[in-house]
Amino acid sequence: DAGVIQSPRHEVTEMGQEVTLRCKPISGHDYLFWYRQTMMRGLELLIYFNNNVPIDDSGMPEDRFSAKMPNASFSTLKIQPSEPRDSAVYFCASSLVAREQYFGPGTRLTVL
Amino acid sequence: AQSVSQHNHHVILSEAASLELGCNYSYGGTVNLFWYVQYPGQHLQLLLKYFSGDPLVKGIKGFEAEFIKSKFSFNLRKPSVQWSDTAEYFCAVNADSSASKIIFGSGTRLSIRP
Repeated sequence: DAGVIQSPRHEVTEMGQEVTLRCKPISGHDYLFWYRQTMMRGLELLIYFNNNVPIDDSGMPEDRFSAKMPNASFSTLKIQPSEPRDSAVYFCASSLVAREQYFGPGTRLTVL
Repeated sequence: AQSVSQHNHHVILSEAASLELGCNYSYGGTVNLFWYVQYPGQHLQLLLKYFSGDPLVKGIKGFEAEFIKSKFSFNLRKPSVQWSDTAEYFCAVNADSSASKIIFGSGTRLSIRP
């Protein structure tokens, strides 16, 4: 298996632009997680899905952030409009129920 | 609320020294426990996991961890560290067997002097 796939690996954009991050989980995994990592705040869970349904989005910082999982093999995290404080590394992870999570390589987002 | 505490924020060791990183959690029921490692510029990778059975768990790269239920602890150990072990280490707990949400500790940065 190729593992969790994320794209793009790096994104540089200007404040106010829309940003879409993409994730393909490991085939057969029924949980998908979106995390954000910064030096200041560490690793933060933003939202997670079970069988494509959002279960807990309490970590989503504000309405500018949205996430979807239209099918078992694809999820997006969208930021609209983006702000410089959104600059971070965004990780996607997937797992089977109550098992270990497997992380993707991350997307390094820079908002100028 | 469930929480995971990693008391050491930054540990500096010389090569060949022994390592022990502390991890304590707050949940009193059945737990699944994990240690993840994040090498510089990379993503989190699973080092080892505990679900049940022998409380001494062996992981990759010579790491091991011991689950001590009475102390709510899951400390990570390695008898002799190498420069390549320089990384950030995260302890994590899943306290709900019906779900997969994992609570991560704040991480311990390990620096190894060659």
